[in-house]
Amino acid sequence: NAGVTQTPKFQVLKTGQSMTLQCAQDMNHEYMSWYRQDPGMGLRLIHYSVGAGITDQGEVPNGYNVSRSTTEDFPLRLLSAAPSQTSVYFCASSPRYGGELFFGEGSRLTVL
Amino acid sequence: AQTVTQSQPEMSVQEAETVTLSCTYDTSENNYYLFWYKQPPSRQMILVIRQEAYKQQNATENRFSVNFQKAAKSFSLKISDSQLGDTAMYFCAFMSYTNAGKSTFGDGTTLTVKP
Repeated sequence: NAGVTQTPKFQVLKTGQSMTLQCAQDMNHEYMSWYRQDPGMGLRLIHYSVGAGITDQGEVPNGYNVSRSTTEDFPLRLLSAAPSQTSVYFCASSPRYGGELFFGEGSRLTVL
Repeated sequence: AQTVTQSQPEMSVQEAETVTLSCTYDTSENNYYLFWYKQPPSRQMILVIRQEAYKQQNATENRFSVNFQKAAKSFSLKISDSQLGDTAMYFCAFMSYTNAGKSTFGDGTTLTVKP
């Protein structure tokens, strides 16, 4: 059972470039979310989804875009990368009845 | 909006000793979950323990237990018989029933277990 799979694990971008972080889960979870983790800080919510076709903004959504066309996939798009988006990104999923988040392994993004 | 505060940025403990990590939170919700997650150097986020607010009994998982004080909005984690593998960053997190699927995290406590 793969759980939550994130790709890529590492990425270096130049300012202004765009990219997509992929996230897939095979647990049939309704909820999926993206967080970023900066040094010395906890995880902050970027975007989340309560089901296919439904997304909403979290605490720090600016500069990011998401879509959820299937239950399994929840990609995060950086539209025009900025150095302030250098961070570690985590995708997570959880079931409808609530409870703990199941995390991917994280993606370290560096924007030069 | 909920907030989660971890007031101890760093802690250390001798192997086999007991350590307690503190967490306080603020919410107007009555039904919610509280979690402790562990993040070792591998970066993976691992659930340590969870507590549902309606349960008066404190959760325990082997060497890990919590002291949940709902009225005081306090949720501390006790690690007994600390092991070198417990060295990690620990995050306290809150999730309300009405906003299931997204959590609010504290800034974390870095725990070092010394041999």
